Amino acid sequence: KQEVTQIPAALSVPEGENLVLNCSFTDSAIYNLQWFRQDPGKGLTSLLLIQSSQREQTSGRLNASLDKSSGRSTLYIAASQPGDSATYLCATPLTDKLIFGTGTRLQVFP
Amino acid sequence: DGGITQSPKYLFRKEGQNVTLSCEQNLNHDAMYWYRQDPGQGLRLIYYSQIVNDFQKGDIAEGYSVSREKKESFPLTVTSAQKNPTAFYLCASSVPTVQPEQFFGPGTRLTVL
Repeated sequence: KQEVTQIPAALSVPEGENLVLNCSFTDSAIYNLQWFRQDPGKGLTSLLLIQSSQREQTSGRLNASLDKSSGRSTLYIAASQPGDSATYLCATPLTDKLIFGTGTRLQVFP
Repeated sequence: DGGITQSPKYLFRKEGQNVTLSCEQNLNHDAMYWYRQDPGQGLRLIYYSQIVNDFQKGDIAEGYSVSREKKESFPLTVTSAQKNPTAFYLCASSVPTVQPEQFFGPGTRLTVL
């Protein structure tokens, strides 16, 4: 059974800081790992998808890494901005569905 | 613009009523999914469909029903048998490959009065 955990559950930082969000999974035999952003009351926006054969993916100020052997993925946010405030979710597929973590709620204050 | 639409954005239901949530996509995706999101619990899969006229139960299907008569549409009915339906409901779609990337709609917030 795949379980996905995200730490910390909440994070509040001043603008400009570099951040690391953590995602752990119990079964290392994953196909991929996907990071999402969710704004309050909104749907999920896909940020990055790392295939099982990849070690990292980058998009702008975001960098996601994947270490299957240790069951971990990290989302690195460089030079955080107030507009980055949202909940960040990681998920990995299990047969026909995605298994989600409970998310990290991020607040970046000016 | 290609994407997934859900309606309504907010829905209020009296106890004992059935309500139907709409999900439409124009991404030409074969697979569609319904998730429920509760505070502190993450997303849980209700139903999914890999192809028209076929669907499977997810982890929390009791009290819900779906249909998939068209590729573009996957409506979810919350029946009176669902004892605690107040939640945020999210619809998603994907190309049904071995490594599916799912795309989500904006969600419907259902509140039972």
